[in-house]
Amino acid sequence: DVKVTQSSRYLVKRTGEKVFLECVQDMDHENMFWYRQDPGLGLRLIYFSYDVKMKEKGDIPEGYSVSREKKERFSLILESASTNQTSMYLCASKSYSPRDRLYEQYFGPGTRLTVT
Amino acid sequence: AQSVSQHNHHVILSEAASLELGCNYSYGGTVNLFWYVQYPGQHLQLLLKYFSGDPLVKGIKGFEAEFIKSKFSFNLRKPSVQWSDTAEYFCAVNEEAIYNQGGKLIFGQGTELSVKP
Repeated sequence: DVKVTQSSRYLVKRTGEKVFLECVQDMDHENMFWYRQDPGLGLRLIYFSYDVKMKEKGDIPEGYSVSREKKERFSLILESASTNQTSMYLCASKSYSPRDRLYEQYFGPGTRLTVT
Repeated sequence: AQSVSQHNHHVILSEAASLELGCNYSYGGTVNLFWYVQYPGQHLQLLLKYFSGDPLVKGIKGFEAEFIKSKFSFNLRKPSVQWSDTAEYFCAVNEEAIYNQGGKLIFGQGTELSVKP
């Protein structure tokens, strides 16, 4: 079974703090994604990566950065946390192949971040 | 910009009732379509997917969905819901385009389904 793990289930941080959210997958997937999930808005893509040290902006990258130094790990960084970044953050991974588009994304359990 | 729209934000049904959740997308090219489900306190997981072929696809737990290209729709159905189907359901679209090598998905807003026992 594919396993995607996230470093914390719940996190409380103060405004202005630098926040690191970690995601690890154990299936040697090339592609990894960070989403935030908010009621009534569904999942919105923040950043994704299709290879080590490669990153692409998603739909809402402002206020976030990412790091992918190793294939299995994809980190989301909030440089200076703000209250509007209070949300559920979901990490996902996906295999890449010539038939890449057929493969589903596998999701982690999520990190519920509260910024006070 | 491409978008995915789920018409119902919250649906409440009694057990054994039939279910249909609407999903429409805006992209006119070749798409792959997914329904994901998130049970309370659990991971988001795949319910079913469509890539090509028979437009009626069957997924896990008795769910099915029909792709109607002319209507840009991919509605989810189940003939008889159970209390255990209480969850949030998300429709998602993956555009088949060269620029989308990463397999980016666009998600709808989600529909919360509550099934009364």
